[in-house]
Amino acid sequence: QKEVEQDPGPLSVPEGAIVSLNCTYSNSAFQYFMWYRQYSRKGPELLMYTYSSGNKEDGRFTAQVDKSSKYISLFIRDSQPSDSATYLCARPHGSSNTGKLIFGQGTTLQVKP
Amino acid sequence: EAQVTQNPRYLITVTGKKLTVTCSQNMNHEYMSWYRQDPGLGLRQIYYSMNVEVTDKGDVPEGYKVSRKEKRNFPLILESPSPNQTSLYFCASSLSAGRADTQYFGPGTRLTVL
Repeated sequence: QKEVEQDPGPLSVPEGAIVSLNCTYSNSAFQYFMWYRQYSRKGPELLMYTYSSGNKEDGRFTAQVDKSSKYISLFIRDSQPSDSATYLCARPHGSSNTGKLIFGQGTTLQVKP
Repeated sequence: EAQVTQNPRYLITVTGKKLTVTCSQNMNHEYMSWYRQDPGLGLRQIYYSMNVEVTDKGDVPEGYKVSRKEKRNFPLILESPSPNQTSLYFCASSLSAGRADTQYFGPGTRLTVL
């Protein structure tokens, strides 16, 4: 079993839709999670950083962690064509402070005008 | 502008011909690392560096070398490239190993080994 799993999609939605992107994880021994956004032919950029409980909101984006079910979600409200990208969830490698991040495969999102 | 730069952005080479991909950051970050990104496998760490002259292996270090002689630079060296090293490579940096919230990725280097 992979440590962080994502449905690769692609996910296609109309402009203005609410988007839900999800990850599941297998190891609960860490404190925070990240969501990265990766545009085509670009490097990943950190979108949100959230500790392992509750919700965090930043504009149209909300990150949610459910520790009991080991589920991480990213919600995008009023989605825009500029949100079209691959979204990667990540968590730090738990057992040692190497700075390594464990990434999901990424979900490709297309928002159609 | 805070950034991580990589060169070259695209490279096609042949098996066995040594190559170096450069990485430089202008944020005075202590921590730097290299990842490769492959379809179906996601991003996997190759090597990382906690600070100058301190490097260590990540998950997939075979066939790669790194060095960290200066804080801002972290080159990735392929002494004898093979086709299975065809991939998209990203360099990343952060203030320290524990500060993933400050992590920046470079634009990527697409390498093809024939």
